[in-house]
Amino acid sequence: EAGVAQSPRYKIIEKRQSVAFWCNPISGHATLYWYQQILGQGPKLLIQFQNNGVVDDSQLPKDRFSAERLKGVDSTLKIQPAKLEDSAVYLCASSAGLAGVEQYFGPGTRLTVT
Amino acid sequence: SQQGEEDPQALSIQEGENATMNCSYKTSINNLQWYRQNSGRGLVHLILIRSNEREKHSGRLRVTLDTSKKSSSLLITASRAADTASYFCAYDRAGTASKLTFGTGTRLQVTL
Repeated sequence: EAGVAQSPRYKIIEKRQSVAFWCNPISGHATLYWYQQILGQGPKLLIQFQNNGVVDDSQLPKDRFSAERLKGVDSTLKIQPAKLEDSAVYLCASSAGLAGVEQYFGPGTRLTVT
Repeated sequence: SQQGEEDPQALSIQEGENATMNCSYKTSINNLQWYRQNSGRGLVHLILIRSNEREKHSGRLRVTLDTSKKSSSLLITASRAADTASYFCAYDRAGTASKLTFGTGTRLQVTL
């Protein structure tokens, strides 16, 4: 079974530029998550989708971050414009259900904002 | 902050020894999970324990949950060098739809 795929793996941009990350979840997984993990900390949930609908985006900085999940499969996370404090690893995860199930994580995208 | 706290922040042991990590949280939960993260395999799910369970085993892993104290522990027995990683607890808050809140993590170093 193929795991969660993410691209790119690494990205370096200058502040105020824009960047987009892509995620392909495990086939059949209805729930998709985007997390931000700053060095030395645990992952923080940014947004959670159930199929193509948003379940929770309470911690998404909506003035600069946006995410979509067209057709309930792939998802993209965009940052525009980026700030220095956005430097982090962005993790995508998926799960088969909505509650009480394990999440499967992709390898992440390491973003450096200079 | 609602983030879980883990203790210790770092742990160094020799191969063959046991490693114990603790996690504390502040809210009512549906379940608590433990994940491992290393550079080779990313973030990987280890074990899930539900709020009505007190102890769970999986291979060399033993997890306990005390909801009255809002705490959990992960015990790794007979550790191996390959267990070197960061370990995170993540809890699913009651009343949320599988929204995991991760702890701060314990960095485990297992030396030969």
